[in-house]
Amino acid sequence: AQSVAQPEDQVNVAEGNPLTVKCTYSVSGNPYLFWYVQYPNRGLQFLLKYITGDNLVKGSYGFEAEFNKSQTSFHLKKPSALVSDSALYFCAVRDSSASKIIFGSGTRLSIRP
Amino acid sequence: EPEVTQTPSHQVTQMGQEVILRCVPISNHLYFYWYRQILGQKVEFLVSFYNNEISEKSEIFDDQFSVERPDGSNFTLKIRSTKLEDSAMYFCASTRDRAPNQPQHFGDGTRLSIL
Repeated sequence: AQSVAQPEDQVNVAEGNPLTVKCTYSVSGNPYLFWYVQYPNRGLQFLLKYITGDNLVKGSYGFEAEFNKSQTSFHLKKPSALVSDSALYFCAVRDSSASKIIFGSGTRLSIRP
Repeated sequence: EPEVTQTPSHQVTQMGQEVILRCVPISNHLYFYWYRQILGQKVEFLVSFYNNEISEKSEIFDDQFSVERPDGSNFTLKIRSTKLEDSAMYFCASTRDRAPNQPQHFGDGTRLSIL
């Protein structure tokens, strides 16, 4: 069965500093991994995905994510955080046999000025 | 950029009443989904729909729930007899095809409050 874990409920970072939001996954076959962001009173907005190829994936708003097969991780990163990055971030996984996406529990990212 | 739109943004309903949540997926998308997010909890899959049939559903999607594509643009979720525990944000999503590398595009959700 597929599963996703986000071990941190909240991550606090000062503006300008690098940020990392952690995610680990479990799937039976090849993983299809996604990051979504949710701003207040809004839906889930797609940030980036890993399918195959380079382990470092670049996405929207300067975010990137690093796929690590041996550690079954897909951590979200950004070299320099902005206050406007403050939001709820969800890691998600999908396998080739299912139409649904399985979401992690979410990590609230708070960037202080 | 085309968007998934959902109406209403907030629905307040008495327990036991029927409620219909509406979604307009992106126009050239063929696969449709409903998810829900109970306050403070994770986003949970409810159902996927293609070619006027349910493709996959979760254990949450019991006989009280149904989905329909009544015309060429709308995709609806009906809860027949609402319960207090149905209070949640309900998100509609769509994709162009079923390829697993396709990200699902989400609407802004309908907040359902059951009194």
